Amino acid sequence: DQQVKQNSPSLSVQEGRISILNCDYTNSMFDYFLWYKKYPAEGPTFLISISSIKDKNEDGRFTVFLNKSAKHLSLHIVPSQPGDSAVYFCAASALGSNYQLIWGAGTKLIIKP
Amino acid sequence: ETGVTQTPRHLVMGMTNKKSLKCEQHLGHNAMYWYKQSAKKPLELMFVYSLEERVENNSVPSRFSPECPNSSHLFLHLHTLQPEDSALYLCASSPLGGDYGYTFGSGTRLTVV
Repeated sequence: DQQVKQNSPSLSVQEGRISILNCDYTNSMFDYFLWYKKYPAEGPTFLISISSIKDKNEDGRFTVFLNKSAKHLSLHIVPSQPGDSAVYFCAASALGSNYQLIWGAGTKLIIKP
Repeated sequence: ETGVTQTPRHLVMGMTNKKSLKCEQHLGHNAMYWYKQSAKKPLELMFVYSLEERVENNSVPSRFSPECPNSSHLFLHLHTLQPEDSALYLCASSPLGGDYGYTFGSGTRLTVV
């Protein structure tokens, strides 16, 4: 049973427009959420995170929104750039779990010129 | 340079071979991890070491054997693997707690023939 789900395996967006990547979770004990970005032949790199006490966190072109009642989070990238083409992973952790990040399967984002 | 170095980058091995994957970090992190990434699947946590002590072993077959001789080095010893073990093996490190900024290596692409 996947506790963190990214239901869109891929997403194609025009350069300059907004990219919205979605993530759903089932475990109400999750209190910290992260997004990672992965290029081919490289390991994932940390992008942005949000604590469950917030509903929004912004860092430059990247904003993560958290809707706890819906157990849903989304990553907005605006404006989208060609270098944003990558696989994006959503991950979650629960208070006291320390070592366990539960990962989604990833969404491949393709930015079209 | 990500701060976490994995060698080799690519490995092809027969089912009767014995090989080892190496991971090295000099970020001062106290926790290190082995993850497996198969195509279109979430990242699977295999092993966690905290302060050189194994704290997590997620039902990984015994043909995978981790070793953490010190806080900077992590090995994954492989023997009698199966073709379905072919995957990208990622090493990561983090400060104790793990919620913030996992740093991943670039991974070892393993093919079992």
